[in-house]
Amino acid sequence: AQKITQTQPGMFVQEKEAVTLDCTYDTSDPSYGLFWYKQPSSGEMIFLIYQGSYDQQNATEGRYSLNFQKARKSANLVISASQLGDSAMYFCAMREGTLGSNYQLIWGAGTKLIIKP
Amino acid sequence: DGGITQSPKYLFRKEGQNVTLSCEQNLNHDAMYWYRQDPGQGLRLIYYSQIVNDFQKGDIAEGYSVSREKKESFPLTVTSAQKNPTAFYLCASSIPGPVNQPQHFGDGTRLSIL
Repeated sequence: AQKITQTQPGMFVQEKEAVTLDCTYDTSDPSYGLFWYKQPSSGEMIFLIYQGSYDQQNATEGRYSLNFQKARKSANLVISASQLGDSAMYFCAMREGTLGSNYQLIWGAGTKLIIKP
Repeated sequence: DGGITQSPKYLFRKEGQNVTLSCEQNLNHDAMYWYRQDPGQGLRLIYYSQIVNDFQKGDIAEGYSVSREKKESFPLTVTSAQKNPTAFYLCASSIPGPVNQPQHFGDGTRLSIL
């Protein structure tokens, strides 16, 4: 069964608009972490933001924020005021703290975001 | 600046040839990982190592081998047994332990068949 699901293979968004990238996850581990990464066309994987299962508040990092809905098992990435440089692949990943084996990350299939000028 | 260096950036393999991809980190991380990424796909784990002189197979280890003789280095060899090696290879490292530790990545190596 898929543990990380990103339902949007691709998205087009107008520059300066906000964009929400969906991520749902499945785990029975009470302790887990959720990560978002950005992969530009050049290939490097850039860590954006982290949300822990016990965190009381949604994580924020600059223009990135995480809409964490624990009961629904969703951790959507919100990018405010999108810029042309935000065009990239975005990956959601999860690490299970207790049940997970050896600090591995479980990856989603990614969403390709294209910002239109 | 601390980081992960992968080399070469591009690599070409002839039929029947083994090739080695280099990964060096100066982040003082104990854990290191190798991933394969095919076009338009997510990451698949090939091998990982939590400590020097120890490594474990990931989901797609067949046709690959690794070594971890030094904390800083985790080279990946793509052997001739890997029949479809054309892909983008990413190396990562992390602090093992706390669940909030992200993996940090190198810039990747693109491997193609000649």
